[in-house]
Parts: sequence; C-alpha cells; structure tokens
Amino acid sequence: IAGITQAPTSQILAAGRRMTLRCTQDMRHNAMYWYRQDLGLGLRLIHYSNTAGTTGKGEVPDGYSVSRANTDDFPLTLASAVPSQTSVYFCASSDASGQGANEQFFGPGTRLTVL
Amino acid sequence: GQNIDQPTEMTATEGAIVQINCTYQTSGFNGLFWYQQHAGEAPTFLSYNVLDGLEEKGRFSSFLSRSKGYSYLLLKELQMKDSASYLCAVMDSNYQLIWGAGTKLIIKP
Repeated sequence: IAGITQAPTSQILAAGRRMTLRCTQDMRHNAMYWYRQDLGLGLRLIHYSNTAGTTGKGEVPDGYSVSRANTDDFPLTLASAVPSQTSVYFCASSDASGQGANEQFFGPGTRLTVL
Repeated sequence: GQNIDQPTEMTATEGAIVQINCTYQTSGFNGLFWYQQHAGEAPTFLSYNVLDGLEEKGRFSSFLSRSKGYSYLLLKELQMKDSASYLCAVMDSNYQLIWGAGTKLIIKP
C-alpha cells in the first residue's frame, strides 16, 4: 500500500441499507478525515479524527458514524442510507503536527449512489 | 458564517497565464491551501500560504493578503494537462479546512 486506499471504488445501495466505506493509510499520519463532494459545493467535512481513539463531528455529520481503533484505519458507516447521501466520498489524512503546511493527502474516493 | 468564494469556471489558452482568485471570510486563519483536482480524481496539494506575499513553485505561484481576505493562484505557460478544478481552502481557528466550491479551468489550444 502506498498512501491512502479506499474501498469500494463505487457502490449502488438501496435506501435503508447499512454501508461501511473503508479507508486505510500507511503514512502513519495521526489525523484522518472524511469528506463528501457534491456538484457545485465545496468539500464538506463529515467526521474527523485527530489521533487514534478519538473522533469529532464536522460540518455534516448526521446519518454518519466513524471509528478510529488504530492509526491506519478510519471507516465511515451509513447506518440507514438515504438518497441525499448520494455523493463522492473522500478520505484524507495529514501529519497535523502543528508545524508547516500539514497538507491533507486524499484517497481516490468512493462514488456512492443511494436509490 | 464561514465563506470561501472563487469563480465557477475560467477559460484560458495554452501557453498563456491565468489568475484564479479566492476571497474568504472565516473564523480564524491558520493558512490557505490550493489544491488541483482532475475530473474523477482526488484533490492533490499545490501550495500553502500563511504569511502575506507570493510563494513561487515552478509554473505555479500563490499570493496571500490576510488583511484583504484574498488569495490568488497564478498559472504560467499553461499546458493542456492544467485543465482541472482548482480548490481554495482556508484552515480556520479549529485547524479544520473550509473549502471553496472550486474553479474549473478549461484550457483551449
């Protein structure tokens, strides 16, 4: 693995179903993020984690949950999918050491369609 | 509220220069980022400004004026591969990134 991977690449899901989007990084970054990207809107933060064992809510957390059991993995779960959750989901990570740019590195994204 | 504004779309000619502007109003400021995103791909980091002035990196430069809440990304010697969306993002007082909707740049031969 090099960087950040996400799975699945794309998914079509029936409304009401439960779905977990997977995200794994091998850069030993302490901070991880989940965004959704919708046409005409900027990336919107769903949930984040500053370090393993901690999580926080972003701008649009409703209907989503996350966990951070270890440094590398940060899964995003939709407990009961709704059509408004149709979007492209990006996972990102950063060193977030408080020094320098601390740019975020993004995974390739998951395109989710809820019908 | 927090707001990042950038033009929706711009068109430029191969070999020319283009400037993409970004204005922001955020709760606190801990730096401004520019990312490039090709269609169907993930955003990739281009530049970071935290102090006023110009940062140059090859064909790309980024400028920041904190007093005006303003930044621009300057792309020189445009190439067809520069056709992409350019995303402006500001790190707020909570060290979270607030993103603009992006500027789609179309390069014509």
